Amino acid sequence: AQTVTQSQPEMSVQEAETVTLSCTYDTSESDYYLFWYKQPPSRQMILVIRQEAYKQQNATENRFSVNFQKAAKSFSLKISDSQLGDAAMYFCAYISQGGSEKLVFGKGTKLTVNP
Amino acid sequence: NAGVTQTPKFQVLKTGQSMTLQCAQDMNHEYMSWYRQDPGMGLRLIHYSVGAGITDQGEVPNGYNVSRSTTEDFPLRLLSAAPSQTSVYFCASSRGSYTVFYTFGSGTRLTVV
Repeated sequence: AQTVTQSQPEMSVQEAETVTLSCTYDTSESDYYLFWYKQPPSRQMILVIRQEAYKQQNATENRFSVNFQKAAKSFSLKISDSQLGDAAMYFCAYISQGGSEKLVFGKGTKLTVNP
Repeated sequence: NAGVTQTPKFQVLKTGQSMTLQCAQDMNHEYMSWYRQDPGMGLRLIHYSVGAGITDQGEVPNGYNVSRSTTEDFPLRLLSAAPSQTSVYFCASSRGSYTVFYTFGSGTRLTVV
């Protein structure tokens, strides 16, 4: 079974600084997707960024970028120029391509942004 | 276009009571899922459905029942609530196989006393 591990239960960053959240995963499949979701206090699950395993280029969405290391099964999220609104729980998630309907989540990292 | 609608948003139950958490989507999505979120545990899959009339168990199915009589609706039933079922419940849907974008509802916070 696939597993997703987030080793940092909590992280903090100063406003305008950069922070990196870690995620590792375990799978025997070669085709899959990886995601980072943001969950603010409103509880809504917001998709931040996604990465297709077959793409070597790291995904980027504005201030959010990933470092995808397929061989190492690592998928970290970098947030640049951190803003107060970035404070939230962040979940790393995995889904296999090819018909799997199961999105597997890590346990989450709580990010605090200090003014 | 409402997306995924969950009701109620909050609920308090007494141990042993039953209730149904409602989930409806208006996007004609084939796949629907229920997750529970507990502190320090992330989101864990309870049950899922790949289409009307088809359901299957996820990681933590005990104590929950589901059915899928229509494409739009996927209710989650607690037959006899227990304090261990205190959690936040999320319903999610996606268009189907080979489509990996999931839309989440806003969640239901359930407390069993």
